[in-house]
Amino acid sequence: EAGVVQSPRYKIIEKKQPVAFWCNPISGHNTLYWYRQNLGQGPELLIRYENEEAVDDSQLPKDRFSAERLKGVDSTLKIQPAELGDSAVYLCASSLEGELAGYEQYFGPGTRLTVT
Amino acid sequence: AQKITQTQPGMFVQEKEAVTLDCTYDTSDPSYGLFWYKQPSSGEMIFLIYQGSYDQQNATEGRYSLNFQKARKSANLVISASQLGDSAMYFCAMREGRMNTGFQKLVFGTGTRLLVSP
Repeated sequence: EAGVVQSPRYKIIEKKQPVAFWCNPISGHNTLYWYRQNLGQGPELLIRYENEEAVDDSQLPKDRFSAERLKGVDSTLKIQPAELGDSAVYLCASSLEGELAGYEQYFGPGTRLTVT
Repeated sequence: AQKITQTQPGMFVQEKEAVTLDCTYDTSDPSYGLFWYKQPSSGEMIFLIYQGSYDQQNATEGRYSLNFQKARKSANLVISASQLGDSAMYFCAMREGRMNTGFQKLVFGTGTRLLVSP
């Protein structure tokens, strides 16, 4: 079974430029999460999707960040314009939520963003 | 207020020895779950072990066991017979609320870097 796929793995951009990250969750997983992990910290949730619906985006800086999950499968996280403080690892995770579901979130390898 | 506290920024252990990674948590919810994840240098978070707040026995998964002390609000990870491949960051996380009753956010600690030496 394929795991969570993310691309690109690394991205270096200049500040004020746009950037986008892509995530393909595990097949059949209805819930998708985007986390940001700053250096020396644990991941922090940015947004959570249940199928196509963003059900928790309270931590997403909406002035510059946007996300979408078309057709309830793949998801894209965008930053426009990027700032120096956005340098971090962006992790995507997926899980199967529901009555018969387990409790693990499965994580992708992340995208390491460096803003110069 | 910090919900998950990992006080050990780094730990060293020799191969084949056991090591305990500390985690304390804070919640007023009687239903919660505690998780440990491993993050190798490649970056992905790997699920290791889970303990529910109502579970009577400490969770075990192979060489991993969770020393759950509810009254002290601690959920330490014990790795027995350490291997070189265990060198990684280890994160403790908590999810409040009863499982499978809707979404509850996973909150992570700051992690402990474990280095296993030959």
